[in-house]
Amino acid sequence: GQSLEQPSEVTAVEGAIVQINCTYQTSGFYGLSWYQQHDGGAPTFLSYNALDGLEETGRFSSFLSRSDSYGYLLLQELQMKDSASYFCATSNTGANNLFFGTGTRLTVIP
Amino acid sequence: EPEVTQTPSHQVTQMGQEVILRCVPISNHLYFYWYRQILGQKVEFLVSFYNNEISEKSEIFDDQFSVERPDGSNFTLKIRSTKLEDSAMYFCASRKTGDEQYFGPGTRLTVT
Repeated sequence: GQSLEQPSEVTAVEGAIVQINCTYQTSGFYGLSWYQQHDGGAPTFLSYNALDGLEETGRFSSFLSRSDSYGYLLLQELQMKDSASYFCATSNTGANNLFFGTGTRLTVIP
Repeated sequence: EPEVTQTPSHQVTQMGQEVILRCVPISNHLYFYWYRQILGQKVEFLVSFYNNEISEKSEIFDDQFSVERPDGSNFTLKIRSTKLEDSAMYFCASRKTGDEQYFGPGTRLTVT
């Protein structure tokens, strides 16, 4: 089966840096994705890691350690619009079916 | 920019009724998915579809569920006999060949 753990809530100040951790247990592993979801909205893709290391996309970076079954999403220069839920998700086949974590609600405060 | 569309945005049905949720994936995408999200919970995988057949399905996707791609553009999810616990937001997603899945805006299904 699939199991992904994330902190349920994180609060950070505008302009700061925040890290959202994800640990996973899967029966197979192709990669780790991160999705953002605003209240009432659809998940939107942020990043994907298949190999160990850091992937950077603008203000967002994502890290993966396959040996530790661990990854994180790093958000820099936080903006109020970054307030949302963030989900890590694993895929265990080439079909890329996503198994989502429990989600982390990020609140950015002035 | 191309996007996934879903209709209706909200569907209310009585327990035991059949519902069909409709999706139009992005036109040149090859992989199609249905997910659901019960209010306040995580997104759950239901089924994936490729080359006109189901690739994988989760334990949630039992005999009450079916998917179809009746033509070159639509992708539907049918629930034959709805239960109260089927109330959720249902998301369709599509993918070309890369890692990113594009999600539609969702259909909120309310079973009464």
